[in-house]
Amino acid sequence: DVKVTQSSRYLVKRTGEKVFLECVQDMDHENMFWYRQDPGLGLRLIYFSYDVKMKEKGDIPEGYSVSREKKERFSLILESASTNQTSMYLCASSAPRRDNEQFFGPGTRLTVL
Amino acid sequence: AQSVTQLGSHVSVSEGALVLLRCNYSSSVPPYLFWYVQYPNQGLQLLLKYTSAATLVKGINGFEAEFKKSETSFHLTKPSAHMSDAAEYFCAVIGGGSQGNLIFGKGTKLSVKP
Repeated sequence: DVKVTQSSRYLVKRTGEKVFLECVQDMDHENMFWYRQDPGLGLRLIYFSYDVKMKEKGDIPEGYSVSREKKERFSLILESASTNQTSMYLCASSAPRRDNEQFFGPGTRLTVL
Repeated sequence: AQSVTQLGSHVSVSEGALVLLRCNYSSSVPPYLFWYVQYPNQGLQLLLKYTSAATLVKGINGFEAEFKKSETSFHLTKPSAHMSDAAEYFCAVIGGGSQGNLIFGKGTKLSVKP
């Protein structure tokens, strides 16, 4: 069974802390994505990666960075967490063809106090 | 640029009634379209996708969607709602890049009344 796992389901951090969200996929997918989901706004793309050490900005990259040192792992980093980054974060992966579906992890609900 | 619009942030139906969730898209290229479902406290799961083969696409759990180019629509239907269909549904279109970025609608929350 294909699987995308995220390191935490729930996370509480304080303003100014550095936060790491980890995502691992076992499908040998080239593409990996980070989204944030907010009520009434749907999913918005933060960053994506189509190969190891490659990254591209999505629609809302400000305040975030990413790291992809291995094909199966894609990390989202909040350099200095702020309260407006309280959200649900979803990771996804896909094979490189444009019509391929994305497989999603269960999400991490991050609260920044 | 590609975009999707989902009409209605909340839809409520009675158990056994028809489910109709609306999605209109805008795309400068032939679109690839997807419907995803999100159950409470879970990630997204693919219901079905349109990739320019048959215009009527059948998905999991009895859902189907019809691609209508003339109406730029990809509405999701199910003939008879079940309580377990209560979830949030997202329509998405592949963006203009080559790597399969998805552009999502804002979602429609479906409630099913007994």
